[in-house]
Amino acid sequence: GQNIDQPTEMTATEGAIVQINCTYQTSGFNGLFWYQQHAGEAPTFLSYNVLDGLEEKGRFSSFLSRSKGYSYLLLKELQMKDSASYLCAVRDSNYQLIWGAGTKLIIKP
Amino acid sequence: GAVVSQHPSWVICKSGTSVKIECRSLDFQATTMFWYRQFPKQSLMLMATSNEGSKATYEQGVEKDKFLINHASLTLSTLTVTSAHPEDSSFYICSARETGYDTGELFFGEGSRLTVL
Repeated sequence: GQNIDQPTEMTATEGAIVQINCTYQTSGFNGLFWYQQHAGEAPTFLSYNVLDGLEEKGRFSSFLSRSKGYSYLLLKELQMKDSASYLCAVRDSNYQLIWGAGTKLIIKP
Repeated sequence: GAVVSQHPSWVICKSGTSVKIECRSLDFQATTMFWYRQFPKQSLMLMATSNEGSKATYEQGVEKDKFLINHASLTLSTLTVTSAHPEDSSFYICSARETGYDTGELFFGEGSRLTVL
């Protein structure tokens, strides 16, 4: 079956760096996405990786290793507003998005 | 960026009634829209894929006669929850992919919180 694994919850300190990991087993691979979702709101797009390597976008970076079925989202200079759930999603061979359960990130002052 | 508007944001209805939720792409055309439901502290669950001008594709376990989807134009898809029951109370979210662009990015509506009494 298809499976996306990411930690349920993580805690970090304001100003610090945090890495959220995502591992996947899917039927084919056509890209991996990270979305941010604040409580009670819809998800917002953060990043898209289809080739191996690191994609940097401001304070957020996303890494992909297709051979390992692994990605991480790196958040630097954490701010209180970064407290949210972070969803990892993989697009399979049928171009269907398979969603992870999300990682709830708690930022402490 | 592209904007998707969902309406209503909140709806409370009595058990047995039907509720319609609209999903509009405001500044782009969307041949394909997706409908999800999300229970508290859980991830998105894809319910169906809505294709303009054709029947929606429902995920396994989703009753197509209960969750009616209509995608009559390139900018509007509707989800109707028929004969709603308390267990249908959930957060319903739509997303859209811009026609002709395959960046993979999905644009999400604001979500509609349904409470069935």
